[in-house]
Amino acid sequence: SYVLTQPPSVSVAPGQTARITCGGNNIGSKSVHWYQQKPGQAPVLVVYDDSDRPSGIPERFSGSNSGNTATLTISRVEAGDEADYYCQVWDSSSGVFGGGTKLTVL
Amino acid sequence: EVQLVESGGGLVQPGGSLRLSCAASGFTFSSYWMHWVRQAPGKGLVWVSRINSDGSSTSYADSVKGRFTISRDNAKNTLYLQMNSLRAEDTAVYYCARESGSSHQRPYFDYWGQGTLVTVSS
Repeated sequence: SYVLTQPPSVSVAPGQTARITCGGNNIGSKSVHWYQQKPGQAPVLVVYDDSDRPSGIPERFSGSNSGNTATLTISRVEAGDEADYYCQVWDSSSGVFGGGTKLTVL
Repeated sequence: EVQLVESGGGLVQPGGSLRLSCAASGFTFSSYWMHWVRQAPGKGLVWVSRINSDGSSTSYADSVKGRFTISRDNAKNTLYLQMNSLRAEDTAVYYCARESGSSHQRPYFDYWGQGTLVTVSS
């Protein structure tokens, strides 16, 4: 089965740029989607199809995907961005999520 | 406003059964494919199952295949997950999620419910 690998944690100071990676075999050939989940809440879609943003998601959230790594980039990080982030793809008629990355805003 | 409201969770003994429901509103339920995703306490998201818009096609994660059944009643705008032969490792919050209508080849989830907790324990 397809495996997505994320770093368990990323820390960044307010105003800086956070980059969260999602590794997978030839992931660049797939569409990658990203979700934000705050404690006690349901996940929220923040990026879909590698780099598109749903309405209502700030432009500070962006995504890229090439080779074996997809990346979620959060510019000008704010305290409210502190959350768990998950990447997701579809493979062989199954949904696959990465293990999640906890973003800490210092 | 799109709303998804899960219900039916609770405490069940190993080997028991439970049926989850997800009531949908604010959109044309019968036009959308739907999913169940679960999250064990303190763990990550895990995809469970998918059903197409008219209920004629389903798919499951290997971990639940043969034990769980996804279904829907478009007249009642409700999604279901029948869970049989439950195990301790099925303990999780179960979310229903709407699949975006843009492409079924690379699905993603644009709306999620708040989840319902299933605890399997003796």
